Parts: sequence; C-alpha cells; structure tokens
Amino acid sequence: AQSVAQPEDQVNVAEGNPLTVKCTYSVSGNPYLFWYVQYPNRGLQFLLKYITGDNLVKGSYGFEAEFNKSQTSFHLKKPSALVSDSALYFCAVKGNQFYFGTGTSLTVIP
Amino acid sequence: EPEVTQTPSHQVTQMGQEVILRCVPISNHLYFYWYRQILGQKVEFLVSFYNNEISEKSEIFDDQFSVERPDGSNFTLKIRSTKLEDSAMYFCASSLIWDGEQYFGPGTRLTVT
Repeated sequence: AQSVAQPEDQVNVAEGNPLTVKCTYSVSGNPYLFWYVQYPNRGLQFLLKYITGDNLVKGSYGFEAEFNKSQTSFHLKKPSALVSDSALYFCAVKGNQFYFGTGTSLTVIP
Repeated sequence: EPEVTQTPSHQVTQMGQEVILRCVPISNHLYFYWYRQILGQKVEFLVSFYNNEISEKSEIFDDQFSVERPDGSNFTLKIRSTKLEDSAMYFCASSLIWDGEQYFGPGTRLTVT
C-alpha cells in the first residue's frame, strides 16, 4: 500500500535560516512524489514533484526537495526561510490515487 | 494564469439533504479529482475522473456520492443524503496528464447541520 508520513506536525524556523520539512514514503514500484503548500482558506498549490531523474528537484518559490531512495525520504528544503513561507505543507505520493500526508505547519519567525 | 474555480464557497445544508458542489477545471485538463479535508485533518482523496468515467475512488466514496461532467466545462460532486460527518472542505483539482501536478480550486466549505 502507498502512503506518506510527515513526522512533524509543526516546524518553527527563524527568518533567514534554512528550513527542512520531512517526508517519508512507502510505495511499491517507482514513486511519484509531490509537495504542496496550503495557505489559510486557500486550496493546495503545487510546489514540486519527483518522477524520475535527478534526486534534487527544484520547485516554486525557491523550494527544493531531495529524493533519497535508500531512506525512502523526500524532504522539502529551502536555503533561507521567509516569513511568507509560513503555511501548511503536504507531501503526497501518487499510486492509483493521491495519498497525502497529514501536513506540517511551518512557522517562520521574524 | 488559468485556475480551477469552485462554487459555492460555503454551503450549509440540513442532514439528509442533497447537495451539489460545482467545479470548473482548467480548460485543457483531462483528469479531474475531488478531495475533502475535515477541519484540522489531512487531505483525503475521494475520486478521480477521466474520459467521462470514474478511474479511481477511495473507500470514502460510497453510494451516497456521485460525480458528473455534464458539459465541457463543469465537474460536479453530488452527495445524495448528507450526514453530519460530511462536513468538510471539498476541493476539486485537475491535471493535464495522469502523473502531472494537480491544480486545486479554493474549495467549498460544506456544513451539515
């Protein structure tokens, strides 16, 4: 069965510091992995995806994610956090349907 | 930039009533989806739709739910007899290809009283 896990409900980081939002996955076959962001009272917005190829995927708003097959992880990263990055972040894996993680609330502290 | 739209933004209904949630996906997209998000919980897949038929559905999508693409632009989710536990935010999404990024609408907040 396909699933994703986001082990942290909440991540706090100071503005300007690097941020990491963790995601691990379980999937049979090659994983299709995604990150989405949700701002208050809004729908989900696509950030980036990994289908195949380079393990480091670059996405919107300066975010990137590193696919690690041996650790079955797909952590979201950004070198320098902005206050405006504060939002809810969802990791997702696509099998026959999309499976979303439980979400990680990111707070960037000015 | 094209976007997915959903109406209404908020729907209040009484238990046992039927509701129809409407979505207009991005015009050239071929795959359509419905998700729900109960307050404070994760986003849950309901159904995917391609080529005028359901391609996948979750265990949540039981007989009280149905989807339809009545014309070339709208994509609807019908809940026949609403229950209190159907109260949630319902998101529509569309994608151009099967493994492509999905574009989400702003959601319809359904409140069942």
